[in-house]
Amino acid sequence: GENVEQHPSTLSVQEGDSAVIKCTYSDSASNYFPWYKQELGKRPQLIIDIRSNVGEKKDQRIAVTLNKTAKHFSLHITETQPEDSAVYFCAATVENDMRFGAGTRLTVKP
Amino acid sequence: SAVISQKPSRDICQRGTSLTIQCQVDSQVTMMFWYRQQPGQSLTLIATANQGSEATYESGFVIDKFPISRPNLTFSTLTVSNMSPEDSSIYLCSVQGTGANVLTFGAGSRLTVL
Repeated sequence: GENVEQHPSTLSVQEGDSAVIKCTYSDSASNYFPWYKQELGKRPQLIIDIRSNVGEKKDQRIAVTLNKTAKHFSLHITETQPEDSAVYFCAATVENDMRFGAGTRLTVKP
Repeated sequence: SAVISQKPSRDICQRGTSLTIQCQVDSQVTMMFWYRQQPGQSLTLIATANQGSEATYESGFVIDKFPISRPNLTFSTLTVSNMSPEDSSIYLCSVQGTGANVLTFGAGSRLTVL
């Protein structure tokens, strides 16, 4: 089955800096790659996603890139703010089967 | 996106007992899933809840331990049976909404087993 690896497990940045989280996947049939943000005690919330026919997608300060050949995708957050502090999960999907990475705890220091 | 109501939001249970978690969606959805999130960990798929038939379980999860019902397209239950402290976790219902593959999560049920 699909295996998703996510790095780093923790990331600390200064407010205003950029943050990058990287994921790799194993199943070349994966075609949908969402990113979820989970604040402490809350449910995971979808923040951005990308499908396999697209290489890059941007939504304000958040962008995701996908390299299908290398089977990796990344989340980029620019101009980070303290409210970006949370755990971020990447996922890869084959048909309806979504597998999650281990998560990255992002801390944005004011 | 679909609005999911999950209950209970939290419970403290005694070892050996069972607890049923309910998931109600405000619209009909094709796919419903149950995930487990152990403290500080990622989201692990327990099973896909199939309407009108037996759930499809992932490796490491069995029906006797986690029986699932899905009587219609808006409702599902997950039972955690014969609980032990290792079952202490957050259990999340999720549904595939209007966008293909897009998954929406319920607020989760935090179980503590003493």
